[in-house]
Amino acid sequence: DSGVTQTPKHLITATGQRVTLRCSPRSGDLSVYWYQQSLDQGLQFLIQYYNGEERAKGNILERFSAQQFPDLHSELNLSSLELGDSALYFCASSVTIGFQSGNTIYFGEGSWLTVV
Amino acid sequence: AQKVTQAQTEISVVEKEDVTLDCVYETRDTTYYLFWYKQPPSGELVFLIRRNSFDEQNEISGRYSWNFQKSTSSFNFTITASQVVDSAVYFCALSEERYGGSQGNLIFGKGTKLSVKP
Repeated sequence: DSGVTQTPKHLITATGQRVTLRCSPRSGDLSVYWYQQSLDQGLQFLIQYYNGEERAKGNILERFSAQQFPDLHSELNLSSLELGDSALYFCASSVTIGFQSGNTIYFGEGSWLTVV
Repeated sequence: AQKVTQAQTEISVVEKEDVTLDCVYETRDTTYYLFWYKQPPSGELVFLIRRNSFDEQNEISGRYSWNFQKSTSSFNFTITASQVVDSAVYFCALSEERYGGSQGNLIFGKGTKLSVKP
């Protein structure tokens, strides 16, 4: 158990709908990351927050947005869902940003999203 | 541009065989970080190891060992005396340090699916 908690674990929704994925980082971790794992694209970095502020952006679609709240939990909002958005969405966390000080990213168990 | 290549898509071995998973990376940075993660059939991503670019020392942890060679841009992972529980997809990942601080996000390879049969 990495200590990163994601809900829901499984979600089935229809095209055009909007869903919210929730993540609680490990205790003491200030940085949160979202990754998408799909069959065709593999594991892709979406976005990173550090202590409530957006820190880095990857291949995140405009239909997707995220935020990190004062209690450090994070939410990933996916809207106008398409069939191609079906994927495993991972949240990850780390103590700080960067890896200079031995920092490591730990992943949650993921949220399986199926769009039908 | 940064890139991670895991050329072996799938490997199948019989229990107790040794197996090496290859990872080749590309980066223009002189400071970077390499990782291996394991994804068992249940789906979670489990951290295995991280290595700094300035530390070429190989590492052994039980049946697992890692061979980091900057000269060939490789960070290979060997499982000795494989077991059925080692069956999983293994991912190699890279992160670069730039602009005075690391971006802190990972570039993953496509993964190698390891099947260990009894």
